[in-house]
Amino acid sequence: KQEVTQIPAALSVPEGENLVLNCSFTDSAIYNLQWFRQDPGKGLTSLLLIQSSQREQTSGRLNASLDKSSGRSTLYIAASQPGDSATYLCAVSNSGYSTLTFGKGTMLLVSP
Amino acid sequence: NAGVTQTPKFQVLKTGQSMTLQCAQDMNHEYMSWYRQDPGMGLRLIHYSVGAGITDQGEVPNGYNVSRSTTEDFPLRLLSAAPSQTSVYFCASSLSRRSAYEQYFGPGTRLTVT
Repeated sequence: KQEVTQIPAALSVPEGENLVLNCSFTDSAIYNLQWFRQDPGKGLTSLLLIQSSQREQTSGRLNASLDKSSGRSTLYIAASQPGDSATYLCAVSNSGYSTLTFGKGTMLLVSP
Repeated sequence: NAGVTQTPKFQVLKTGQSMTLQCAQDMNHEYMSWYRQDPGMGLRLIHYSVGAGITDQGEVPNGYNVSRSTTEDFPLRLLSAAPSQTSVYFCASSLSRRSAYEQYFGPGTRLTVT
């Protein structure tokens, strides 16, 4: 059974720092990996989707990398801002279908 | 496009009552799914559908029923609510049943069973 772990569980940084969120998964036979953002009391917003054949994806200040063989992904946030404060979730798809297995998330707080 | 919509936003039920959580999407997405989110447990898949008339069970299906009569709608039914079903429920959709596409989530329904 696939298990997804996110480290750290919580992170507090001052504004302007570059930071890295980690995601690891036990079964490397994934089809893709997706990073989401969740604001308190809200739904999930997709940030980046990396297919298993890709090494990284970039969107603005966000960069996600994937090392499928080692079962790891990182989400890099450049020049963090208070508006980046949220919970970040990593999810993997192990089948050809769209079912996802989620990690428990990293709660990020960026202080001014 | 409204995206993925869910109703109601909040609901309180008594043990044994039944109810239906509504989910709709206006993006003509083939794939739809239901997750529950509990503190310390993350999101877990309840049921999913790869098209109208086709549904399947996820990780935690017990106590829930689904059907998909149209592409747009995917309601989740609680037949006899239990306190263990207190949770936040999210509906999601994706363009294709194939996993190559990103998923879109609704705003959630917060359910309390007393």
